[in-house]
Amino acid sequence: DGGITQSPKYLFRKEGQNVTLSCEQNLNHDAMYWYRQDPGQGLRLIYYSQIVNDFQKGDIAEGYSVSREKKESFPLTVTSAQKNPTAFYLCASSIFVGQETQYFGPGTRLLVL
Amino acid sequence: GQQLNQSPQSMFIQEGEDVSMNCTSSSIFNTWLWYKQEPGEGPVLLIALYKAGELTSNGRLTAQFGITRKDSFLNISASIPSDVGIYFCAGGTTSGTYKYIFGTGTRLKVLA
Repeated sequence: DGGITQSPKYLFRKEGQNVTLSCEQNLNHDAMYWYRQDPGQGLRLIYYSQIVNDFQKGDIAEGYSVSREKKESFPLTVTSAQKNPTAFYLCASSIFVGQETQYFGPGTRLLVL
Repeated sequence: GQQLNQSPQSMFIQEGEDVSMNCTSSSIFNTWLWYKQEPGEGPVLLIALYKAGELTSNGRLTAQFGITRKDSFLNISASIPSDVGIYFCAGGTTSGTYKYIFGTGTRLKVLA
């Protein structure tokens, strides 16, 4: 089945630790996105990538980093510089960046110990 | 920055009732998307709207792209228990690189 997978479902981070969230898609989409979801707020864009080896900062990129070495994969690293990392992280993809619908993965919940 | 106001924030309805929710903004959007999210899961696309005035249905769901391009509406007819979830709107804008602005969600609970 075509779709977007995210792993792990739950992730625990210790103070000062970097953690990486995985996102894989087999939809052959060029564009991929990372969003952060907090209770009572709309999704906020962290980073997006229009094509392999390219990525751009979204609205709340500070404390996060990404890479796009393969079309299918867009991992997100939450660094120790992100002081409030507890949230639900959603990965999405679309055919390309533009007036195209975005399809979401199942999400990863990050908790700080 | 651009913002979307989604209302109501939450709704408790009886099974069989119709539901209406909307998103409004002071900004113009080129696309409206409606998603449903269940607890601990990612949003699932329900309806996509690309043209002002467009009215689109998906089963018991009907959504409209407001004629002013600043709002959109979602209606659910004859609600059933599995309609429970959070419904999000997203407006697509060409401000800079094309991106979507998301509403804060309408939490729907259906009482059997």
